[in-house]
Amino acid sequence: SQQGEEDPQALSIQEGENATMNCSYKTSINNLQWYRQNSGRGLVHLILIRSNEREKHSGRLRVTLDTSKKSSSLLITASRAADTASYFCATPAGTSYGKLTFGQGTILTVHP
Amino acid sequence: NAGVMQNPRHLVRRRGQEARLRCSPMKGHSHVYWYRQLPEEGLKFMVYLQKENIIDESGMPKERFSAEFPKEGPSILRIQQVVRGDSAAYFCASSPWDTRTSGANVLTFGAGSRLTVL
Repeated sequence: SQQGEEDPQALSIQEGENATMNCSYKTSINNLQWYRQNSGRGLVHLILIRSNEREKHSGRLRVTLDTSKKSSSLLITASRAADTASYFCATPAGTSYGKLTFGQGTILTVHP
Repeated sequence: NAGVMQNPRHLVRRRGQEARLRCSPMKGHSHVYWYRQLPEEGLKFMVYLQKENIIDESGMPKERFSAEFPKEGPSILRIQQVVRGDSAAYFCASSPWDTRTSGANVLTFGAGSRLTVL
């Protein structure tokens, strides 16, 4: 399996519910990012969490990082139909520059 | 600030033809990255360029693929003699500095160029 695998592959919820996506990785990292991709569009950076951080918030987003388990989670609270997108975690590929390893993503569908 | 601009957005080529994809980074960004996304998959790194230099091309196929970022003008990803397996979305991203020194590697992505090989 590859670095940065998301789980579940697909998630379908109703507006107002919370959505949780998980990411596992294999090697040691100094940071982890989450990106969103709307259908047919490019990726948009959501949040970066460094290896010395356990949790980070940005609006309705909450990201956790557990370096001992090599895993991260992205929680979207009070979801909206506009949150419908694919969500990817990304980790540095060896060195700390823009070479990232992306997982295969979680497809989130939020029904109005 | 127009962001990262890619063109064309959609490109159709027949097997054996050449595809040229262009990317203009965000204003003030001098570092460009190309990624490829196959259907239903995540993005795969291809190449990292600075002006007139290829920094890391470890993700580029050994044949038919090349990239450049000239002193003037956009970065170009060139695919010669395309095959059906080259059909994918090609994304360009940019960053304002060498992220090796900043320790943070947040990228700004373009909307992508979708290549279809018939």
